[in-house]
Amino acid sequence: NAGVTQTPKFRILKIGQSMTLQCTQDMNHNYMYWYRQDPGMGLKLIYYSVGAGITDKGEVPNGYNVSRSTTEDFPLRLELAAPSQTSVYFCASSYNSYEQYFGPGTRLTVT
Amino acid sequence: AQTVTQSQPEMSVQEAETVTLSCTYDTSESNYYLFWYKQPPSRQMILVIRQEAYKQQNATENRFSVNFQKAAKSFSLKISDSQLGDTAMYFCAFLFGNEKLTFGTGTRLTIIP
Repeated sequence: NAGVTQTPKFRILKIGQSMTLQCTQDMNHNYMYWYRQDPGMGLKLIYYSVGAGITDKGEVPNGYNVSRSTTEDFPLRLELAAPSQTSVYFCASSYNSYEQYFGPGTRLTVT
Repeated sequence: AQTVTQSQPEMSVQEAETVTLSCTYDTSESNYYLFWYKQPPSRQMILVIRQEAYKQQNATENRFSVNFQKAAKSFSLKISDSQLGDTAMYFCAFLFGNEKLTFGTGTRLTIIP
């Protein structure tokens, strides 16, 4: 199993550009999550999903959108990038929500 | 809302010594989960240990153990016989039901050779 994979690893965006961060898991987990980690801080939840077709907002959803059309994929969309979205983004998945497996992260810089 | 506090931004210890990282949390719930995650320079988040609040026995995973004090809402991590590979950021996290993990701000641990 590859576990949780994220692409790209690094990205630089200009203000106002859009992009999609990809997340895929091959463990058949129902639960998937997107977090952001700002410098010197812990992770904050952006969006999560408890199964295909179901998504819900986390603590910091503004400026982001998600979809969950399959069990494996949970892409995160940034429509109009802003400098405040400069962060490291982590995707995670879990079978029962009690033990989350994290991807390697995507470092995004918006300038 | 739940909060998690890690009051030690940085710690360092000599290799082979024992170190304890502190974590306190605030919740009105009685059944929940607590976690310690390790984040090495590679940025990968790695689960170190998990504690169910309904269990009185402290969790142990090899050199890692916790001191869970439910009444005091305290959840410290003890690393015995510390190794250079233990150098990392350590995050305490809280989970209630199917809700989100709430993370502390982390403790940067450095193991000195």
